[in-house]
Amino acid sequence: EVQLVESGGGLVQPGGSLKVSCAASGFTFSGSAIHWVRQTSGKGLEWVGRIRSKANNYATANAASVNGRFTISRDDSKNTAYLQMNSLKTEDTAVYYCATDYYYAMGVWGQGTTVTVSS
Amino acid sequence: QTVVTQEPSFSVSPGGTVTLTCGLSSGSVSTSYYPSWYQQTPGQAPRTLIYSTNTRSSGVPDRFSGSILGNKAALTITGAQADDESDYYCVLYMGSGIRVFGGGTKLTVL
Repeated sequence: EVQLVESGGGLVQPGGSLKVSCAASGFTFSGSAIHWVRQTSGKGLEWVGRIRSKANNYATANAASVNGRFTISRDDSKNTAYLQMNSLKTEDTAVYYCATDYYYAMGVWGQGTTVTVSS
Repeated sequence: QTVVTQEPSFSVSPGGTVTLTCGLSSGSVSTSYYPSWYQQTPGQAPRTLIYSTNTRSSGVPDRFSGSILGNKAALTITGAQADDESDYYCVLYMGSGIRVFGGGTKLTVL
């Protein structure tokens, strides 16, 4: 069974940093791209970014709203993708989901991890 | 900045048919945008329904179908059921790895 499990969410002060993780199982993680998507409370979904596989040079793409602040990485030996968030703002408060990539879409989703940016 | 547009809300009667659309603030949606559709109920992670315009994800009932209608992508639900009451989101591929979500449509079945 394909499964993604996010972790590492929590409370962080504005201007601070946080790194969340996405642990994968049940598929060939090393060959798969991974997306990050967030959802603010009561609002819609926002695509954050994605990282491709080693075969595609670990290429990343990010939404303009997080460019220069958020970085996506992966460790294929641990079947885990990461979202490093720096210079956090209150508007970054959201549930953060990771998802597999499938034919230009998101495929299987994790259950999400909550990040709260507040003083 | 390109905005992906969806109807904020829609209602359908049980057993009825409803078509939700996904457009662009400027221009037309085509298959080159690889439109995909997602269903989300409150407190749950999204579920992928449709990818590449019209391909159903594994386990998705065939009463969900995707298409291009005019200048928009469309999600049609035929024979709506009570548990179809959810938020529905589309995503368009903008090139260079960039995806953009629409604002979502809240579907009520009543």
